[in-house]
Amino acid sequence: DQQVKQNSPSLSVQEGRISILNCDYTNSMFDYFLWYKKYPAEGPTFLISISSIKDKNEDGRFTVFLNKSAKHLSLHIVPSQPGDSAVYFCAARGRGSNYKLTFGKGTLLTVNP
Amino acid sequence: SQTIHQWPATLVQPVGSPLSLECTVEGTSNPNLYWYRQAAGRGLQLLFYSVGIGQISSEVPQNLSASRPQDRQFILSSKKLLLSDSGFYLCAWSVVAGGPTTEAFFGQGTRLTVV
Repeated sequence: DQQVKQNSPSLSVQEGRISILNCDYTNSMFDYFLWYKKYPAEGPTFLISISSIKDKNEDGRFTVFLNKSAKHLSLHIVPSQPGDSAVYFCAARGRGSNYKLTFGKGTLLTVNP
Repeated sequence: SQTIHQWPATLVQPVGSPLSLECTVEGTSNPNLYWYRQAAGRGLQLLFYSVGIGQISSEVPQNLSASRPQDRQFILSSKKLLLSDSGFYLCAWSVVAGGPTTEAFFGQGTRLTVV
């Protein structure tokens, strides 16, 4: 049972354009959502997060949107840069879960110069 | 500042051999500790997590085990490796009572290939 889904395994965009990475979840007990970025042969690094009481969080070029009714969140990267090319994981944490994170399968973003 | 160390970076082991991966965290006390695995073409799967010394919770049945002999040390083990154990293993930590802004911090990972 996959509770966090990233249905696009890959995405390719041109440098300078917007990258939109999508994530859907099924567990209504999730109260906190995170995005991680991962380069090959490295551990994931935390990128940005959003609490379920908000619908938007912005940090520089990165913005995360949360639509609770649709159980959907998205990560927007504007403008996209070649260095943004990596695998992006969506993760969610449930209430009372001892802060365990449930991850999606990831989306490989390629930003072409 | 907090740091997490995970070793070895790469490992090639024959089927049926034992496994021991070690992870240590510095700069924090009583962290939550996690072992994740990323198999080829798959996402990050939580294998074990620990909220304290000697306290281990298993998320998926398998031939792996975990131990936490010290507050900031987390060990992933197997008595006999299977081919299906190949993957990228990641150790992570988080603050226990970090509230709604808690995130997990990952080590650099171990690439395990079982041959």
